[in-house]
Amino acid sequence: AQKVTQAQTEISVVEKEDVTLDCVYETRDTTYYLFWYKQPPSGELVFLIRRNSFDEQNEISGRYSWNFQKSTSSFNFTITASQVVDSAVYFCALRLGLSGNTGKLIFGQGTTLQVKP
Amino acid sequence: DSGVTQTPKHLITATGQRVTLRCSPRSGDLSVYWYQQSLDQGLQFLIQYYNGEERAKGNILERFSAQQFPDLHSELNLSSLELGDSALYFCASDPSGGRYNEQFFGPGTRLTVL
Repeated sequence: AQKVTQAQTEISVVEKEDVTLDCVYETRDTTYYLFWYKQPPSGELVFLIRRNSFDEQNEISGRYSWNFQKSTSSFNFTITASQVVDSAVYFCALRLGLSGNTGKLIFGQGTTLQVKP
Repeated sequence: DSGVTQTPKHLITATGQRVTLRCSPRSGDLSVYWYQQSLDQGLQFLIQYYNGEERAKGNILERFSAQQFPDLHSELNLSSLELGDSALYFCASDPSGGRYNEQFFGPGTRLTVL
């Protein structure tokens, strides 16, 4: 079965602290894709990053970084020097490497991040 | 702005009624996905269309149906509405429905069933 687990339901930090959001996934497929989405209070879902299962390089984008480890089936997301604007719900998602123009996203339950000034 | 549009933004209706949610994908995207976000179920995939054809089905109730039209916009029809259908319904699109692509989400339609 395919599953995404975000064990942290809520995290609260003070501005400028670093924070890591955990994501653990389950799949038997050897080809799959992992995503992070942000859902700010306004409600829309904003794409942050995609990672392929065959590419374990970590990625940094400004204050955001992602650590992908196949050995532990984890795809963690770190925000450095957090800001109030980072307050949102963050979702990790899994997409299988299916063929035939199909591909649903399997979402974790989300982690609510509150950054206090 | 993701380029995906959804109307209406809010919908309030009564139990037993039928509603239609509309989605226009990003220009050039052939695939449309519908998701439901509720407090108890989280974000769940409902159905996918690719260039007018149904491609994948998830946890979509029989009371719900969808279609994608020749101009690629899609509609999600919800009938015999129940209180538990109250949720945020998202539409997403990507160019081909292929696994390589990220899906871009619309702003959602918040459905309240009273």
